[in-house]
Amino acid sequence: GAVVSQHPSRVICKSGTSVKIECRSLDFQATTMFWYRQFPKQSLMLMATSNEGSKATYEQGVEKDKFLINHASLTLSTLTVTSAHPEDSSFYICSASPGNQPQHFGDGTRLSIL
Amino acid sequence: DAKTTQPPSMDCAEGRAANLPCNHSTISGNEYVYWYRQIHSQGPQYIIHGLKNNETNEMASLIITEDRKSSTLILPHATLRDTAVYYCIVRPGNNAGNMLTFGGGTRLMVKP
Repeated sequence: GAVVSQHPSRVICKSGTSVKIECRSLDFQATTMFWYRQFPKQSLMLMATSNEGSKATYEQGVEKDKFLINHASLTLSTLTVTSAHPEDSSFYICSASPGNQPQHFGDGTRLSIL
Repeated sequence: DAKTTQPPSMDCAEGRAANLPCNHSTISGNEYVYWYRQIHSQGPQYIIHGLKNNETNEMASLIITEDRKSSTLILPHATLRDTAVYYCIVRPGNNAGNMLTFGGGTRLMVKP
């Protein structure tokens, strides 16, 4: 079945650091990938839609200069949290779909900013 | 996307069937019902989806009422590993690759 891989699975870093999270579709190509954020005891919230070869589309309230998205190939999207602060600590999850099939999700990246 | 209503939590005994309800009274004619689950500290996992007919796969069965205003996800023989948050989502099925809007889900606790 379709596999979506995220890396790293966990990051702990100091405030002010920029952190890059990778999302890869391992056995299919994805022109669109989605990035979600999940705070403790809450549901997933869509942050942005990553489009291969064009600019990402951000949801209302999500700062595009804070959360940089690059979808440079059909199998890789990256999310960079720039100048991360403790309030950016969260569980970041990506998803993609192989054609007209249900979305498949990565295992998430737990980001902790000290 | 149409909204869904699910009970916040449910318990089920191991080995018994788990029946998880979902209300989607404002569902449109072209909207499918999708079910995902999220085990602690993992990404959501696709379970099953359907339009109006009942569906079954190796993981679960989906029963959709005739008026499509509600549905039930059935795990026939729940195991401890089925403990998770289960999300019922309705969305247009023309392009299953579109994003999903998650509600609160049902936290299912399978107990020995």
